[in-house]
Amino acid sequence: EPEVTQTPSHQVTQMGQEVILRCVPISNHLYFYWYRQILGQKVEFLVSFYNNEISEKSEIFDDQFSVERPDGSNFTLKIRSTKLEDSAMYFCASGPWGAEQPQHFGDGTRLSIL
Amino acid sequence: SQQGEEDPQALSIQEGENATMNCSYKTSINNLQWYRQNSGRGLVHLILIRSNEREKHSGRLRVTLDTSKKSSSLLITASRAADTASYFCATDPRGNTGKLIFGQGTTLQVKP
Repeated sequence: EPEVTQTPSHQVTQMGQEVILRCVPISNHLYFYWYRQILGQKVEFLVSFYNNEISEKSEIFDDQFSVERPDGSNFTLKIRSTKLEDSAMYFCASGPWGAEQPQHFGDGTRLSIL
Repeated sequence: SQQGEEDPQALSIQEGENATMNCSYKTSINNLQWYRQNSGRGLVHLILIRSNEREKHSGRLRVTLDTSKKSSSLLITASRAADTASYFCATDPRGNTGKLIFGQGTTLQVKP
């Protein structure tokens, strides 16, 4: 069964550094998402992406965050200048033809900011 | 409480017993979904119920939705040790962007 893959599984970065988290969604999916889960807390929506543009973003997704689908297969999340509070699990998800469809999640990237 | 709150927070049962988890939410929804998360893994979609549906079944799973009470329940029948995981409800308020609002989750332990 096709799956969403995320790399790396664990990223350790110094505060203030830029980080790029990578995701390969399921190939025929059209909707793409990033969520994060701070340890012990609920999964939080960051951004949804459709037709090469952001369709919705949360208040967490400020100017330090950006997303890109550079080559039709990868979907990336960039954090420009990381803060300690960005430490979390970041999940990528993709969905098929409609926004009202089940989302398929990757296993996440654990981001640790030192 | 916030959108998508599960109850109980933790549940421990014996294999073969049924497990019931509840979810309450605050705003109107387009659909409500249940996901499972095994330790250290991503979320796996279990079942989606639309706002105009009252009950849905999938294998050993039964989901109900009461939009008048803004609540949903997930029943797992004849539980197995492999059902040990965290279970989350997620609401889709509008249905046009896919944004899901997750609850805090119920941690289910099924003892063999």
